[in-house]
Amino acid sequence: EVQLVQSGAEVKKPGESLKISCQTSGYTFTNCWIGWVRQLPGKGLEWMGIIYPSDSEIRYNPSFQGQVTISADKSISTAYLQWHSLKVSDTAMYFCARIAARLVGFDYWGQGTLVTVSS
Amino acid sequence: DVVLTQSPLSLPVTLGQPASISCRSSQSLVHSDGNTYLNWFQQRPGQSPRRLIYKVSKRDSGVPERFSGSGSGTDFTLKISSVEAEDVGVYYCMQGTHWPLYTFGQGTKLEIK
Repeated sequence: EVQLVQSGAEVKKPGESLKISCQTSGYTFTNCWIGWVRQLPGKGLEWMGIIYPSDSEIRYNPSFQGQVTISADKSISTAYLQWHSLKVSDTAMYFCARIAARLVGFDYWGQGTLVTVSS
Repeated sequence: DVVLTQSPLSLPVTLGQPASISCRSSQSLVHSDGNTYLNWFQQRPGQSPRRLIYKVSKRDSGVPERFSGSGSGTDFTLKISSVEAEDVGVYYCMQGTHWPLYTFGQGTKLEIK
């Protein structure tokens, strides 16, 4: 059974750094892309970026380029989303999702990680 | 950039009645390989999104037959033949044709009248 389990909710202050995780199981981690999707409070879904863990190829949504860093650790089948300096506007739910076929897009999703940034 | 425009944004439906959601793309979603990569997702309140339909009309495993997708080129539709209480939530279309620049529609909120 394919599973994506994300790290728990975070409360941070503006300017702090953060790295959230997405641990996968039930399939070969290096055979599929993994993506990150943002959902602002009460809003829709925004694709942030994707990574191919086999060779760490990364594609960012231009809207998020330079704002976040996506990475993966093949040894533990885990993908990451990282901020170096959080802003209040980063407060959102973040989902990871598997992409079995890149053109078909996201099939399995994690449960989401709520990130709250407040002074 | 490809823009997906959904309508309506709010859809009140009586239980047992049909529902239909439109998704229009600013560009053709026909890929050079001949396929059209348009998906539909359901997000129930407090839950993660779940894919219902991929490649316009293919239902994902476990998705009830009352959900169907259709369309071509730039115009697509998700239909629910007979709405049930568990169908309440927000529905999103998403294109993958123009990978890696995926795009989601803005979402349609389905509620029971």
